[in-house]
Amino acid sequence: SQTIHQWPATLVQPVGSPLSLECTVEGTSNPNLYWYRQAAGRGLQLLFYSIGIDQISSEVPQNLSASRPQDRQFILSSKKLLLSDSGFYLCAWRTESRDREGPRAPWGYTFGSGTRLTVV
Amino acid sequence: EDQVTQSPEALRLQEGESSSLNCSYTVSGLRGLFWYRQDPGKGPEFLFTLYSAGEEKEKERLKATLTKKESFLHITAPKPEDSATYLCAVQDNQAGTALIFGKGTTLSVSS
Repeated sequence: SQTIHQWPATLVQPVGSPLSLECTVEGTSNPNLYWYRQAAGRGLQLLFYSIGIDQISSEVPQNLSASRPQDRQFILSSKKLLLSDSGFYLCAWRTESRDREGPRAPWGYTFGSGTRLTVV
Repeated sequence: EDQVTQSPEALRLQEGESSSLNCSYTVSGLRGLFWYRQDPGKGPEFLFTLYSAGEEKEKERLKATLTKKESFLHITAPKPEDSATYLCAVQDNQAGTALIFGKGTTLSVSS
């Protein structure tokens, strides 16, 4: 079965400390992967997306970076966290379903359980 | 610029009191409109995908409809367990494969 794992679930980090959030998917190959951030009172903001190993596109300039060292692994990092980096971080992957919904390539986007990051 | 606006921001209903949530969008070419449900502290859970104007989909007490400019999520006879934040997102033909999200509508259903 296809699943997505994201950890840790919660994290409290001091300002200036490094960050590493990991996301892995199972049951698929060469998935499109995404990192979103959800801040209080705001919608989900796309941070990075990847269409393959070492292929990363950044949507928002910031002190975060992303890497994809393996096909099913997507990592979000920071060398020095800022207070404004606090938020709910979500990993997602685009699934393709060739089933009863017909020929319009019904993509689904499945989200991980999220990481609540608090920078203090 | 692509934009997704959801209204109202918050909605309080009594159990059994039907209502609708709105999602208006502006994209150069709609490839798909998605509805998600999100419970506090959890990732969004997929509900529906709509592809073209006039399309409708149903799941239990929820029904999603789509026009050329907006989508509605109708909730019929809601129950307290329907309380959650409902997110709308669109995929634009020219914006790669990523979804563009609205800020969501937080629904509270009291018994």
